[in-house]
Amino acid sequence: DQQVKQNSPSLSVQEGRISILNCDYTNSMFDYFLWYKKYPAEGPTFLISISSIKDKNEDGRFTVFLNKSAKHLSLHIVPSQPGDSAVYFCAASGGSQGNLIFGKGTKLSVKP
Amino acid sequence: NAGVMQNPRHLVRRRGQEARLRCSPMKGHSHVYWYRQLPEEGLKFMVYLQKENIIDESGMPKERFSAEFPKEGPSILRIQQVVRGDSAAYFCASSPLAGDDGQPQHFGDGTRLSIL
Repeated sequence: DQQVKQNSPSLSVQEGRISILNCDYTNSMFDYFLWYKKYPAEGPTFLISISSIKDKNEDGRFTVFLNKSAKHLSLHIVPSQPGDSAVYFCAASGGSQGNLIFGKGTKLSVKP
Repeated sequence: NAGVMQNPRHLVRRRGQEARLRCSPMKGHSHVYWYRQLPEEGLKFMVYLQKENIIDESGMPKERFSAEFPKEGPSILRIQQVVRGDSAAYFCASSPLAGDDGQPQHFGDGTRLSIL
């Protein structure tokens, strides 16, 4: 039973355009959502997070939007750059011990 | 300022042997988490430890797997009598506070375990 779902295994975008990565969740008890970026043979790198009491958080080129009623969040990257090409994982936390529950990831390719 | 350090980066074991994976958290971090990633999958939580205490091991198989985070030294994930299905990437993460405070966990580069 997947509590965090990333339904698009891959996404291809032209350099300079917007990348939109989507994530759905089922557990309404989650109170933090995080996005991580992962290059091959490296560990995930934290990008941006959002609390469940907010609907938007922005950090430079990265913005995360949260729609609690739809149990949906998205990561917007604008403008996209070739160095953004990586696998992006959506994760959620809300258990008393803080462990993260990850989606399966979306592989983003930004073409020059 | 060193990040989360995991070693070895690659580990090859034969079926039935033991595997020991080490993790040194970031300086100032007292919370350690272990995750496992199978090919084409997301990371799956295994265990959460603080110094000398296992806080949550709900994601860890009941048999053959154990974890510790001693007062001195790195956290160790130990897999006894390894089987082919244990082949995966094992990631360690650390945070200064419990994750439910919204503090992001910072990950090491993982140990890739291969079972022959």
